Amino acid sequence: AQTVTQSQPEMSVQEAETVTLSCTYDTSESNYYLFWYKQPPSRQMILVIRQEAYKQQNATENRFSVNFQKAAKSFSLKISDSQLGDTAMYFCAFMISPYNNNDMRFGAGTRLTVKP
Amino acid sequence: DVKVTQSSRYLVKRTGEKVFLECVQDMDHENMFWYRQDPGLGLRLIYFSYDVKMKEKGDIPEGYSVSREKKERFSLILESASTNQTSMYLCASSSGLAGGVAKNIQYFGAGTRLSVL
Repeated sequence: AQTVTQSQPEMSVQEAETVTLSCTYDTSESNYYLFWYKQPPSRQMILVIRQEAYKQQNATENRFSVNFQKAAKSFSLKISDSQLGDTAMYFCAFMISPYNNNDMRFGAGTRLTVKP
Repeated sequence: DVKVTQSSRYLVKRTGEKVFLECVQDMDHENMFWYRQDPGLGLRLIYFSYDVKMKEKGDIPEGYSVSREKKERFSLILESASTNQTSMYLCASSSGLAGGVAKNIQYFGAGTRLSVL
């Protein structure tokens, strides 16, 4: 079974600084998809960034980037120039096949607080 | 923008009551999901539907049922609510095979926080 582990239940960072959230996963598949979702307090969860395992290049979205280490089965999220609006729960997620949507696995989440 | 709407943000029910959680999406998505979110456990899939009247069990279906009579609407039913079903419930939707590169992105509602007393 595929599992996703987020080892940091809570983290904090000062505004404008950089923070990295960790995620590891376990699978025997060679092709799969990885996601970071953000859930702000009392607001809906939204996709932050997505990475396809067959792509060597790390995905980036503005201040958000990932460090995808396929051999180590690691998928960390780096947030640069942290802003107060980045305060949220962050979930790492894993999916094997885009044709079988019911197999997405989520980690337990990391609660990030950005301090002024 | 994709919009997934859950009918209630907060709900308080009594043990033994029948509870309906409603979810509507406006993007003609084939796939719809119900998750349960608990601290330290992340999101766990309760049920999944890939078409009208079609459903599949997820990881924790016990005590729940679902209904999908129309493509845009997916209902979660607690036949007889129990205190261990107190939780945050999230609905999500995604496009199917015809969705292109976005087909594996799930879009979430704001959640329903259910308390069973």
